Amino acid sequence: ETGVTQSPTHLIKTRGQQVTLRCSSQSGHNTVSWYQQALGQGPQFIFQYYREEENGRGNFPPRFSGLQFPNYSSELNVNALELDDSALYLCASSLAGTAGGQETQYFGPGTRLLVL
Amino acid sequence: GESVGLHLPTLSVQEGDNSIINCAYSNSASDYFIWYKQESGKGPQFIIDIRSNMDKRQGQRVTVLLNKTVKHLSLQIAATQPGDSAVYFCAESRHGGATNKLIFGTGTLLAVQP
Repeated sequence: ETGVTQSPTHLIKTRGQQVTLRCSSQSGHNTVSWYQQALGQGPQFIFQYYREEENGRGNFPPRFSGLQFPNYSSELNVNALELDDSALYLCASSLAGTAGGQETQYFGPGTRLLVL
Repeated sequence: GESVGLHLPTLSVQEGDNSIINCAYSNSASDYFIWYKQESGKGPQFIIDIRSNMDKRQGQRVTVLLNKTVKHLSLQIAATQPGDSAVYFCAESRHGGATNKLIFGTGTLLAVQP
């Protein structure tokens, strides 16, 4: 076990709705990265938070947004859900000495989102 | 481009045999590489990593080899066990960028036959 937890484990939403996914990082880790994993594919980077600030973003539209809290836990928010947003959403935590530091990322179990 | 895994390659091995899983990475500037194991319904699990100043690194039953000349990474698993059955991903990142984002490969399904 990595010590990274995510909630909820599964979620069903309808098109146009909004969703909030949560991640608690491993104790002592200050960086959280979010990834989207479609069925049969590798995870795709959404964005990363380092010490409560967004520190880089992948090729995802602005309706994907996030937050990191003082305890380094994080939320991923997706507005105006589309059918293609159905995927496994993974968060990964790491301990970075500086923004962009290359420390190992440890993944949580993911949240399975289904958009109908 | 980034991860393009539309078709998942499969490696089938007999229990007790050695397994070799290969990965071609995309960015010659990448200098940090990681292998993850993902079992069905779970998140990726860290196996082993290697930095570009090395060409080989060993762990417990696993060895990672890095060939920067041809941008190739491999994971060797010794004495493969049924519990090793999973999808294996290689991932790369580049030091000095603003973000330590991981770029994942296609993934390889390892099926261990008893």
